[in-house]
Amino acid sequence: DTAVSQTPKYLVTQMGNDKSIKCEQNLGHDTMYWYKQDSKKFLKIMFSYNNKELIINETVPNRFSPKSPDKAHLNLHINSLELGDSAVYFCASNPSGRYNEQFFGPGTRLTVL
Amino acid sequence: DAKTTQPTSMDCAEGRAANLPCNHSTISGNEYVYWYRQIHSQGPQYIIHGLKNNETNEMASLIITEDRKSSTLILPHATLRDTAVYYCIVRGSGGGADGLTFGKGTHLIIQP
Repeated sequence: DTAVSQTPKYLVTQMGNDKSIKCEQNLGHDTMYWYKQDSKKFLKIMFSYNNKELIINETVPNRFSPKSPDKAHLNLHINSLELGDSAVYFCASNPSGRYNEQFFGPGTRLTVL
Repeated sequence: DAKTTQPTSMDCAEGRAANLPCNHSTISGNEYVYWYRQIHSQGPQYIIHGLKNNETNEMASLIITEDRKSSTLILPHATLRDTAVYYCIVRGSGGGADGLTFGKGTHLIIQP
């Protein structure tokens, strides 16, 4: 199936740990994103990555870092996890130039204890 | 991006048309209206977009008023699977790769 996929679907971890979430899209898109949806259901952009250019939402702590090994993957690394990082994280991508028609992954629910 | 206003929630009977309004009175000439929805425990899903003409696809129809200050997303024959939060987003078509801004959306509940 052509889609945006994320692993893992659920992630439970302790405060202070470092974790990664993986995202892959097989749609041939060249722009990828990470969004965070908090407990109040607000969905906010964290990063976008387009042709090796990283656009960072200024409110994102530098403990979060995206890494793109190739055009089909955009992984999210989180260092020194905090309770407030608990949320659902969504990866997305869009066809070339069509920035507003995004395809979203199924989400990764991160719980920090 | 222009600000949008949507009702917090709406109900619709299964099989009937669901009409979801969105106000965007500050929309500028080069901004499009986009609609997404998020079914519970899933990622958002793109539905449709338009500039000034009415648009229709296999999922929905989009009606934009002549002054472009408001629009309505129409699901012609709502099913229980259409229960979701629907987001109206106004943005330039070029947009840029800086991500979408989602508001609170409308929680549409389809009643059996």
